[in-house]
Amino acid sequence: GAVVSQHPSRVICKSGTSVKIECRSLDFQATTMFWYRQFPKQSLMLMATSNEGSKATYEQGVEKDKFLINHASLTLSTLTVTSAHPEDSSFYICSATVLGLRGHNEQFFGPGTRLTVL
Amino acid sequence: QQQVKQSPQSLIVQKGGISIINCAYENTAFDYFPWYQQFPGKGPALLIAIRPDVSEKKEGRFTISFNKSAKQFSLHIMDSQPGDSATYFCAASNRGSTLGRLYFGRGTQLTVWP
Repeated sequence: GAVVSQHPSRVICKSGTSVKIECRSLDFQATTMFWYRQFPKQSLMLMATSNEGSKATYEQGVEKDKFLINHASLTLSTLTVTSAHPEDSSFYICSATVLGLRGHNEQFFGPGTRLTVL
Repeated sequence: QQQVKQSPQSLIVQKGGISIINCAYENTAFDYFPWYQQFPGKGPALLIAIRPDVSEKKEGRFTISFNKSAKQFSLHIMDSQPGDSATYFCAASNRGSTLGRLYFGRGTQLTVWP
């Protein structure tokens, strides 16, 4: 159980185009979904926290107009990178939380999406 | 400001040896300490986690040691295998707030030589 999927797993696009990444919790309804960005050999950097039906909360320094997050349901969140540029090339990872058996939120991560902007 | 400090940045261990990764935190409100394993090109996967009411948790070859007074916790991998070669992240969260947001360490790249 507790499987999180991401689609696509890899995308290459031209500079100036927009790219949408989907994150789905396959066998559970997620309380909250998180979006991370990871550069090579670095840690995960939280971009935003997303709850179903409400606006995402963005971390300081993350442009909300560039990284649009839509949380359509308890099992689906999307991240759209608008007008992508080469510096947006990165590994994007989502996670979904569910209330664990012992009362704390457990986070399960998706497999990630490799974005390359040419 | 790094909420969770992790060391070493990289670690090379011989097959069969013990791998030890250390983490330290400052925020005493943290009450959940997971370790994640990440292979290249994949998302992190939960390896083992501990709560501060216990000092040690063991699952197979993986053990977390937790020192609440020192605000430190560590991951021990016994009988390390080449398949354990990956990046390991420690993390911490406060279940009572911020919807379970995780604060990650910088990661440790473990290489186990056969």
